[in-house]
Amino acid sequence: GDSVTQMEGPVTLSEEAFLTINCTYTATGYPSLFWYVQYPGEGLQLLLKATKADDKGSNKGFEATYRKETTSFHLEKGSVQVSDSAVYFCALPNAGGTSYGKLTFGQGTILTVHP
Amino acid sequence: DAGVIQSPRHEVTEMGQEVTLRCKPISGHDYLFWYRQTMMRGLELLIYFNNNVPIDDSGMPEDRFSAKMPNASFSTLKIQPSEPRDSAVYFCASSRGGLASEQYFGPGTRLTVT
Repeated sequence: GDSVTQMEGPVTLSEEAFLTINCTYTATGYPSLFWYVQYPGEGLQLLLKATKADDKGSNKGFEATYRKETTSFHLEKGSVQVSDSAVYFCALPNAGGTSYGKLTFGQGTILTVHP
Repeated sequence: DAGVIQSPRHEVTEMGQEVTLRCKPISGHDYLFWYRQTMMRGLELLIYFNNNVPIDDSGMPEDRFSAKMPNASFSTLKIQPSEPRDSAVYFCASSRGGLASEQYFGPGTRLTVT
């Protein structure tokens, strides 16, 4: 079945450092790919998405490129801020059978940014 | 748009009591999802509906849990009887469906069972 694997966390960085959170997936075909973010005390919200191979999703300074050759969708940001401290989830939608419409999430990566 | 609305935001109850969590999805969304989040198990999908019909309830932990969606604008998740291990944050989410559709999450209900 479809699955998503994220890098182990937590990740701790200083402000203005470069961020990479790795995400790889296994799926049938070429699904859309998502990054969700969960700020403390809140629900998840969509950060960015890519709907086909080689697409780059971007939002709030974050970027991720859909790489079908490596089945990856790594999240990057050039200069993190304290306000980026949150939990980040990689996700892909299930395309087949009775699971159509639901998302498979990675385990989440906790990011803490210090001033 | 008000977003996905959940109530109550916090619930504290004693073991053995019935708990009912409520969700109002975004108008026009065809899919509704119930999730549970804990430190130990992370984010788990409990059940989801399409056009008010339950599609997959394989994540419901046991018979103590039940969910209903009587109409397109309301869903409930009920736990009866509640146990301390049910303590978690429960999220409701909705989407328009389709493989590129975003899920919109509510703020969650923090349940504590003592």
